[in-house]
Amino acid sequence: DTEVTQTPKHLVMGMTNKKSLKCEQHMGHRAMYWYKQKAKKPPELMFVYSYEKLSINESVPSRFSPECPNSSLLNLHLHALQPEDSALYLCASSQGSGQPSQPQHFGDGTRLSIL
Amino acid sequence: AQKITQTQPGMFVQEKEAVTLDCTYDTSDPSYGLFWYKQPSSGEMIFLIYQGSYDQQNATEGRYSLNFQKARKSANLVISASQLGDSAMYFCAMREVSGTYKYIFGTGTRLKVLA
Repeated sequence: DTEVTQTPKHLVMGMTNKKSLKCEQHMGHRAMYWYKQKAKKPPELMFVYSYEKLSINESVPSRFSPECPNSSLLNLHLHALQPEDSALYLCASSQGSGQPSQPQHFGDGTRLSIL
Repeated sequence: AQKITQTQPGMFVQEKEAVTLDCTYDTSDPSYGLFWYKQPSSGEMIFLIYQGSYDQQNATEGRYSLNFQKARKSANLVISASQLGDSAMYFCAMREVSGTYKYIFGTGTRLKVLA
């Protein structure tokens, strides 16, 4: 079992829908991440929250809106997505200090399909 | 510039044999961490092993070991006594101390273990 929980595991939505992806961790980590992953490709970083503040936005389109309500929760709000946004969305967390020794811990991901 | 290079898109290994997955990296930061992750077809990213740039000894975790050659900037993953469950995508990743919270991933190697 992973220590980072993502819901839902699968999501099918139309281009006009609004939905949210949720991520939760209880490891006391202070950095949380959203990645997008296409088939047979490495994960692409989208957003990083550090101590509940957005620290990195990798020029992600505004139809993706992240939110970090507290240190354990991370949401990704979706609106007016395009078919090319269909992918596996991975959430990860790490301890959050400046040391490079900390691994990221990933959730199982949400498989998103845009109709 | 590509900072993590995995030159083997796919590898086959016979069950119970050892296999080496290659990873080279590029950084001018003296302090960095190197990680290997396993991603089965189900999607979750599983942290396997970590090597720090100042570590004198190669990291080991059970059947996984990391062949770290700092001067050659390589961090190859060695899996001993391969099992069918080792069939997965394997990603090498790096985090630089100066890179805030960014983890840089290689393109991955798909390993297939044959019975």
